[in-house]
Amino acid sequence: EAGVAQSPRYKIIEKRQSVAFWCNPISGHATLYWYQQILGQGPKLLIQFQNNGVVDDSQLPKDRFSAERLKGVDSTLKIQPAKLEDSAVYLCASSTDRVQETQYFGPGTRLLVL
Amino acid sequence: KQEVTQIPAALSVPEGENLVLNCSFTDSAIYNLQWFRQDPGKGLTSLLLIQSSQREQTSGRLNASLDKSSGRSTLYIAASQPGDSATYLCAAISNFGNEKLTFGTGTRLTIIP
Repeated sequence: EAGVAQSPRYKIIEKRQSVAFWCNPISGHATLYWYQQILGQGPKLLIQFQNNGVVDDSQLPKDRFSAERLKGVDSTLKIQPAKLEDSAVYLCASSTDRVQETQYFGPGTRLLVL
Repeated sequence: KQEVTQIPAALSVPEGENLVLNCSFTDSAIYNLQWFRQDPGKGLTSLLLIQSSQREQTSGRLNASLDKSSGRSTLYIAASQPGDSATYLCAAISNFGNEKLTFGTGTRLTIIP
């Protein structure tokens, strides 16, 4: 079974630029999550999708971050414009149902904002 | 609001020794608690998931326990190996609201050959 795929793996941009991350979950997984992990901290949930609907985006900075999940499969997370404090690893995870089940994580995208 | 704490932040242990990693949480009304492993530059791998009705879970050399009343969970690693070197994170799911995972900051474990 293929795991969660993410791209790109690394991205370096200057502040005020835009960036987008892509995630392809495990086939058949209805729930998809985006996490932000700042160095030395645990992952923090940014947004959770159930199929193509948003379940929780309470910690998503909506003035600069946006996310979508078209057709309930792939997802993209966008930052526009980026700030220095957005430097982090962005992790995508998926699960078969809601968070009661184990979440499977992708390798993450490491973002550096200069 | 659920808060999860892991102490110490880093731990070094000689190969072959048994060790215990600690996790504490502030809200005992949890649905389950999970332990993850994170290797440098990689995502998280789920190790063990303990439902709130369970006291412990075992997988190979790993054993995780859960004590909801005291707000504690431990991960026991037997006969440690250099390949066990990684960051270990625990995460709790509260059984109210939207049931999202709240992670601790992790313990970075180094096994010394």
